Amino acid sequence: QSALTQPASVSGSPGQSITISCSGSSTDVGNSNYVSWYQHHPDRAPKVIIYDVSNRPSGVSNRFSGSKSGNTASLTISGLQAEDEADYYCTSYTTSRTVIFGGGTKLIVL
Amino acid sequence: QVQLQESGPGLVKPSATLSLTCTVSGGPISRYYWSWIRQSPGKGLEWIAYIYYSGTTKYNPSVESRATVSVDTSENHFTLNLKSVTVADTATYYCARWAFISGAFDIWGQGTMVTVSS
Repeated sequence: QSALTQPASVSGSPGQSITISCSGSSTDVGNSNYVSWYQHHPDRAPKVIIYDVSNRPSGVSNRFSGSKSGNTASLTISGLQAEDEADYYCTSYTTSRTVIFGGGTKLIVL
Repeated sequence: QVQLQESGPGLVKPSATLSLTCTVSGGPISRYYWSWIRQSPGKGLEWIAYIYYSGTTKYNPSVESRATVSVDTSENHFTLNLKSVTVADTATYYCARWAFISGAFDIWGQGTMVTVSS
């Protein structure tokens, strides 16, 4: 299975908003509500920030939001902060009952 | 608070079998799916497999022929065996809990680096 497609990097200044896309197909993102997003800082374990397309776990800032349209999911981070600089990954459950990750996006806070 | 801890050798020889264990503490292993995920140096995260506490498994097609995941509910741990390893299997290996109710990996171990080298 090929990885979901994410931009290699995105950047933004503090206070701005950015959106990271996650493109899949009708066998994964397009046919699943099990789309989640993870924040991964170097040398730390990844942390779920969005689950079920658009839900935030308890304790995650409401600056993070998720959505989906067709085969593409999106993560939006508003009010960028320096601490948001990290790698971000999307995942989706698939029609084959497997799990697939996106290639990852490096967020640079200018 | 449920915590996960990976353990296993940090160095494995090419063509050998990589064996890792993930110990679950602070809660039972039952009623959840448990996964292995890895990240090769400079690359992204890759899902390897999941196992339900009852023993049902599912593998990434890219490793299915070489990987075996098992669970020991009495010891509250699950294991990954990856045979015939090559340098391409050098990675940080994470174990994680897959919560079907949320469709996400909600708890992760800290990860363990495994290097394949002679």
